[in-house]
Amino acid sequence: GIQVEQSPPDLILQEGANSTLRCNFSDSVNNLQWFHQNPWGQLINLFYIPSGTKQNGRLSATTVATERYSLLYISSSQTTDSGVYFCAVESWVDSSYKLIFGSGTRLLVRP
Amino acid sequence: EPEVTQTPSHQVTQMGQEVILRCVPISNHLYFYWYRQILGQKVEFLVSFYNNEISEKSEIFDDQFSVERPDGSNFTLKIRSTKLEDSAMYFCASSESGGEDNEQFFGPGTRLTVL
Repeated sequence: GIQVEQSPPDLILQEGANSTLRCNFSDSVNNLQWFHQNPWGQLINLFYIPSGTKQNGRLSATTVATERYSLLYISSSQTTDSGVYFCAVESWVDSSYKLIFGSGTRLLVRP
Repeated sequence: EPEVTQTPSHQVTQMGQEVILRCVPISNHLYFYWYRQILGQKVEFLVSFYNNEISEKSEIFDDQFSVERPDGSNFTLKIRSTKLEDSAMYFCASSESGGEDNEQFFGPGTRLTVL
């Protein structure tokens, strides 16, 4: 099955700093989503981005499907951005509608 | 904005007991899913459900698990005889369609603790 790898596994930032999180996947995908898991464990949809670039406030994401990676950019980070960021993909190859999650990037933003 | 809801938010049970986790998907969505996340680990797919039947299930989803859509709004996950290793966060998700444009929306989760 498809493999999803996220980097870095852990990231510590000072408030106000920018960061880039990466998601690599091993095969063609028809769906890619980014989530933020908050300290209460809730999964918050950030982006549905199988290809192209999207922006939402201080967050933006780019997926280059032909090169099998996606990037999540966080600008001017705030302490409330802390948590775990997951990339999840759904694969044409598997012909299934399940999301395969990466292991996540754990972000801590210090005041 | 429509959202997926789940109840209860936290369930504590004794090993061997049956539990039912409940979900109300977004009303015009046709595909429903359960995922679980053991503490500190990644989120794992359990089962997908469409047109009143299971579309796909993972190897985790053994005979102890079942899903049901008992009415037009609820979607439930039943664990017949809970084990310690079933302790996890369980997420319900729904999507409008399958295939392309298949954004899945997740509920807030039910934290299951098996003692």
